[in-house]
Amino acid sequence: AQSVTQLGSHVSVSEGALVLLRCNYSSSVPPYLFWYVQYPNQGLQLLLKYTTGATLVKGINGFEAEFKKSETSFHLTKPSAHMSDAAEYFCAVNKMRGGSRLTFGEGTQLTVNP
Amino acid sequence: EAGVAQSPRYKIIEKRQSVAFWCNPISGHATLYWYQQILGQGPKLLIQFQNNGVVDDSQLPKDRFSAERLKGVDSTLKIQPAKLEDSAVYLCASSLERSYNEQFFGPGTRLTVL
Repeated sequence: AQSVTQLGSHVSVSEGALVLLRCNYSSSVPPYLFWYVQYPNQGLQLLLKYTTGATLVKGINGFEAEFKKSETSFHLTKPSAHMSDAAEYFCAVNKMRGGSRLTFGEGTQLTVNP
Repeated sequence: EAGVAQSPRYKIIEKRQSVAFWCNPISGHATLYWYQQILGQGPKLLIQFQNNGVVDDSQLPKDRFSAERLKGVDSTLKIQPAKLEDSAVYLCASSLERSYNEQFFGPGTRLTVL
């Protein structure tokens, strides 16, 4: 079985500050890991994904995430927050082998204060 | 490239009524997914199709939910009869076949059951 835990259902930062959204996963097999963003009344949009290879993954809108196998983590960061980053962020895990059910975390609502 | 289309965007019904949602995936995407997203939670997979065959429906409440993808393209999800706890956003997504591939999400249908 696979699961995702996102620490902090709400995160608030000031504009220009570092964004750090935490994600820990559990998987019995090597995982594929994803971060999605959801703006109000919209579907989910992929920010970035880790499949194989380089553990530091860069995504759209200046976000990046680092896969740390020893810590079973895939935290999302952005050096400087913009007002437009305010949204809900979901971490998700999929299995490399044996199927393709994407399991999502509960989400983290990011607020950016001026 | 056109995205995943869903209709209707909003639906309000009374409990014990029936409702149907429609999804048209991105052209060429063999895999289609229906997710249920309850307020404050991450999306939960209800059913996954590969072309017109069901790959995973283990989390679909089959006593009231049904889905079909007859020609391997668009799909419908039906609830009959609806319960209060079915109030949620129903998201459709599509992807190429492999589990590391990005899932592209539609805008969702927000269902309110009164």
